[in-house]
Parts: sequence; C-alpha cells; structure tokens
Amino acid sequence: AQKVTQAQTEISVVEKEDVTLDCVYETRDTTYYLFWYKQPPSGELVFLIRRNSFDEQNEISGRYSWNFQKSTSSFNFTITASQVVDSAVYFCALSDPAAGNKLTFGGGTRVLVKP
Amino acid sequence: DVKVTQSSRYLVKRTGEKVFLECVQDMDHENMFWYRQDPGLGLRLIYFSYDVKMKEKGDIPEGYSVSREKKERFSLILESASTNQTSMYLCASSLGPKLGPWSGGETGELFFGEGSRLTVL
Repeated sequence: AQKVTQAQTEISVVEKEDVTLDCVYETRDTTYYLFWYKQPPSGELVFLIRRNSFDEQNEISGRYSWNFQKSTSSFNFTITASQVVDSAVYFCALSDPAAGNKLTFGGGTRVLVKP
Repeated sequence: DVKVTQSSRYLVKRTGEKVFLECVQDMDHENMFWYRQDPGLGLRLIYFSYDVKMKEKGDIPEGYSVSREKKERFSLILESASTNQTSMYLCASSLGPKLGPWSGGETGELFFGEGSRLTVL
C-alpha cells in the first residue's frame, strides 16, 4: 500500500524567511508520480507540481523549489523568502499509474507566515 | 477557466438523515473523485469514477455510496448520516488515462471544488 508522511503539522515563520516542507513516501512501484498541492484559506486545493519517479532533477519555479531524492523516498518543498500570501496548508501526494492514477495524500503541513 | 462546483459549502444534518452532495465539472473530464479531509489525516479517498455509471471504492467507502449518471456530475450519498461523518468533503476531477503514465499535455492534475463542510448533529 502507498503511504505519504508529512511529519510537520504546522510551521510558523516570519516573512522573508525560507521554509522547507518535508515529504516522505512509501511505495513498492518503480513508476509513480509525486505532487504538491496548496490549500489557501479559501479551501480550494491548487496544483503546484508533478514529478515522475524517473526524473530526479530538482526544480525551481520562482520562489518555489523541489528536491526529489529517490534514495531516501523524499520529495521536499522549499519556499524561499516567504510572503504572507504563502500562508496555507500544503499537501504532498503520490499516485500509482498502475492502480488507477488516484492520489494518496499526506496529512498536510500548515504554514503560517507572519508579517 | 476550469471549474468544479460543489452544490453546498455548508450543511447541517441530523443523525440518520440521508445526505446528497453534488459535484459538477465543466471540463469534460472522465475521472472524478470524492475525498474527505480531516485535520491531521489529510485527504482520504472515498470513491472515484472513470466513466459514466462506473464507480470504484477508495480507501474509506464505508457509509457512503456514489452515483454518476452523467459525465459531468458525480454525487456522494450518505444513506444514514452519523456524527463521525462530520467532515469537509472535496470533489475533484481530472483528465487523463485511468491507467498508465500521462502523456502529451496531461499533468495528472486534479481540479478541486471549494469543498462542502458537513456537520452531523
């Protein structure tokens, strides 16, 4: 069975600090996909990124960056120079293309950025 | 702009009542999902559907059923609501294959509605 663990339930930072969200996953499959979603206070989850298991290159998109390490089954997410608008709950998720492509989500990490 | 619409943002029901949660998407997506979200537990999959009149159980289907009579609409039904079904319910849809890796422009992204917060008294 697949499992996603986000050990940090809540992180509080002051604006402009960097914040890293941890995500560890378990799967027996060799082909899989990892996702990050953001849930702002309005409630609607927003897709941030998808990576496949064969692509371990780190990715940067503006102030967001992702570090995928297959050896440690981790897919960590860093927000650089955080802003108040980054305050949200962030979810890491795992999908198995051989089993319906449905997503298994972690418990989420609430990020609070204080001005 | 893509849109997943859930019929009610907030509902209050009594134990034993039948509850319908409606979800409509306007993106012609084949795949639709119902999740429930509880603090510390993340999102847990209740049911999903890859086609009209098709449904498959997710991780926590007990106490729920679903209906998909039309491609754009996926309904979640609580036959007899109980207090432990008090939760936030999220509907989502996606484009892409039921099985196998994504290709072309597909990202596997789920598009979510705003959620329906159900309280069962």
